[in-house]
Amino acid sequence: GESVGLHLPTLSVQEGDNSIINCAYSNSASDYFIWYKQESGKGPQFIIDIRSNMDKRQGQRVTVLLNKTVKHLSLQIAATQPGDSAVYFCAERPQGNLIFGKGTKLSVKP
Amino acid sequence: NAGVTQTPKFQVLKTGQSMTLQCAQDMNHNSMYWYRQDPGMGLRLIYYSASEGTTDKGEVPNGYNVSRLNKREFSLRLESAAPSQTSVYFCASSEAPAGGGGRGYTFGSGTRLTVV
Repeated sequence: GESVGLHLPTLSVQEGDNSIINCAYSNSASDYFIWYKQESGKGPQFIIDIRSNMDKRQGQRVTVLLNKTVKHLSLQIAATQPGDSAVYFCAERPQGNLIFGKGTKLSVKP
Repeated sequence: NAGVTQTPKFQVLKTGQSMTLQCAQDMNHNSMYWYRQDPGMGLRLIYYSASEGTTDKGEVPNGYNVSRLNKREFSLRLESAAPSQTSVYFCASSEAPAGGGGRGYTFGSGTRLTVV
């Protein structure tokens, strides 16, 4: 079946640096993409979404980029803070329900 | 502003026991979902309810049943628990099916279930 993959299972960054988390999706019919953040012991939390008719969307300290040509999604976090330490999932919607990736663990070094 | 509330937060069951996981949302969402999360597996859909009065199987429905009690509540039942059902269970809701309406799914904080 379809799957949502991540290039890196773990990412370690220095506090204050920018973080980039990547995601490869498999279904060219996907029309909607979401990034979630999951802190230890908690449920996934919505960060930002993007529709397939866009290639960039910005939020507060976060930017999502969508490259439909290579089926690639990325999440950029500016000025990474210790509170950003978590697992980040991407999700795609090919048709029907969302499909989630396995996640990338982001660790922020003080 | 509770969002999605799941009970219990933790549970230990013996093999063969039954239990019901409860989920309620206060956002007037139409669609609700049950996922399980296992290490290295990501979130896998067990059952979902696109709207009140309907339920459908997801990717991993075997060993589970669900009830959409009303618009707010969606319960997950394990009739005869097995060690393979040891997992973290998440309930989620969305304004419209498949995350429509914007902001995708809103998740609860999870139920950590261990079957021994």
